[in-house]
Amino acid sequence: QSLLTQPPSVSAAPGQKVTISCSGSSSNIETNPVSWYHQFPGAAPKLLIYDTNKRPSGIPDRFSGSKSGASATLVITGLQTGDEGDYSCGVWDTSLSTGLFGGGTKLTVL
Amino acid sequence: QVHLQESGPGLVKPSETLSLTCTVSGVLISRSFWNWIRQPAGKGLEWIGRVSHSGTTNYSPSLESRVTVSLDTSKTHFTLRLNSVTAADTAVYYCARGPWASGMDVWGQGTTVTVSS
Repeated sequence: QSLLTQPPSVSAAPGQKVTISCSGSSSNIETNPVSWYHQFPGAAPKLLIYDTNKRPSGIPDRFSGSKSGASATLVITGLQTGDEGDYSCGVWDTSLSTGLFGGGTKLTVL
Repeated sequence: QVHLQESGPGLVKPSETLSLTCTVSGVLISRSFWNWIRQPAGKGLEWIGRVSHSGTTNYSPSLESRVTVSLDTSKTHFTLRLNSVTAADTAVYYCARGPWASGMDVWGQGTTVTVSS
């Protein structure tokens, strides 16, 4: 069981907004930068957000990240069917000296 | 353009050693961190460990006693060795570039490893 807690699934209609949470602790999310990844079934993950709130080149501004205390949030606005898939958060844990991923959240665009 | 490609046996017997190679093209392994991550079918991502361009390693505490990640001296590929494997080690194994702070920005396509006799 992951030390980072994500909801198993979220859903929303096209054009709407969805929020995906990632709950951790003082030794990981509260202290270190968070990254977010998107993964289609059978494919490798793709970096969406790094350093908590930065987007790599090519990622639209419909995707945004933030954190407050020991929780991080990914917000996707203007949902499109192509946004479906699994979203995972990731962070370094300073106390454990290890990298952590959340369990993943499956997004369904209704 | 940076490209990563995993290679190695797709089937490993229980108690034996899993060995994978990640070939890096488009850039020399002279910067950054180089990671191994795995994903059992239907489950989330699990970080295994990493090696820096200087050869410094970090491992997941849950796997540390069985895992070695190393950098080839030619700096064109890095490897994963996981010994004493069991069925629980069956997964898709990915290699990826990047420190945690900057995110893993380049991933290999993944390779499926099954542990079975």
